[in-house]
Amino acid sequence: AQKITQTQPGMFVQEKEAVTLDCTYDTSDPSYGLFWYKQPSSGEMIFLIYQGSYDQQNATEGRYSLNFQKARKSANLVISASQLGDSAMYFCAMREGQDDKIIFGKGTRLHILP
Amino acid sequence: DADVTQTPRNRITKTGKRIMLECSQTKGHDRMYWYRQDPGLGLRLIYYSFDVKDINKGEISDGYSVSRQAQAKFSLSLESAIPNQTALYFCATSDRGFDNQPQHFGDGTRLSIL
Repeated sequence: AQKITQTQPGMFVQEKEAVTLDCTYDTSDPSYGLFWYKQPSSGEMIFLIYQGSYDQQNATEGRYSLNFQKARKSANLVISASQLGDSAMYFCAMREGQDDKIIFGKGTRLHILP
Repeated sequence: DADVTQTPRNRITKTGKRIMLECSQTKGHDRMYWYRQDPGLGLRLIYYSFDVKDINKGEISDGYSVSRQAQAKFSLSLESAIPNQTALYFCATSDRGFDNQPQHFGDGTRLSIL
């Protein structure tokens, strides 16, 4: 079974609109961390935001926020006021417990339309 | 200068050839990783190392080997390359003991096996 599921292979969004990228995860470990990465067409992996399983508040980093719903095991990325430069592949990832391996989802390709 | 440097950035070679991809880092991190990325499959872990004397298999280690020559260097070898090893390869590093710290990625190596 997949540990990280991103159900949206691709999305098209109008510029300046908010975007929600879905991510659900599967773990029985009470201690885990969730990450989002952006991969533009140039290929590099850019870290966006982190949410720890014990964090009381949803993480925010500028225009990025993480809608963390622990009971539902979801960690959706919200991008406010989307820009053309947000067009990229986005990956959700999870680190479980003390294990420093990070497991990645298959990604969502986001297209921002002018 | 990049914190995590991968060489070469691009490589085209023939089936059966031995190939080495190199990774060096200036971040002082103990932990290093090799991933491959294929379209629609996200990133999959090949091998990882938590220190110079530690080597661990990841999800897809068959056909690959690694060497951790020093804390700062982690190389990936394909002993006899085959076409289905054509992919984008990433090296990553992380710091021990900091749960909220992401992995830091190199810019990737595009490898084509003809």
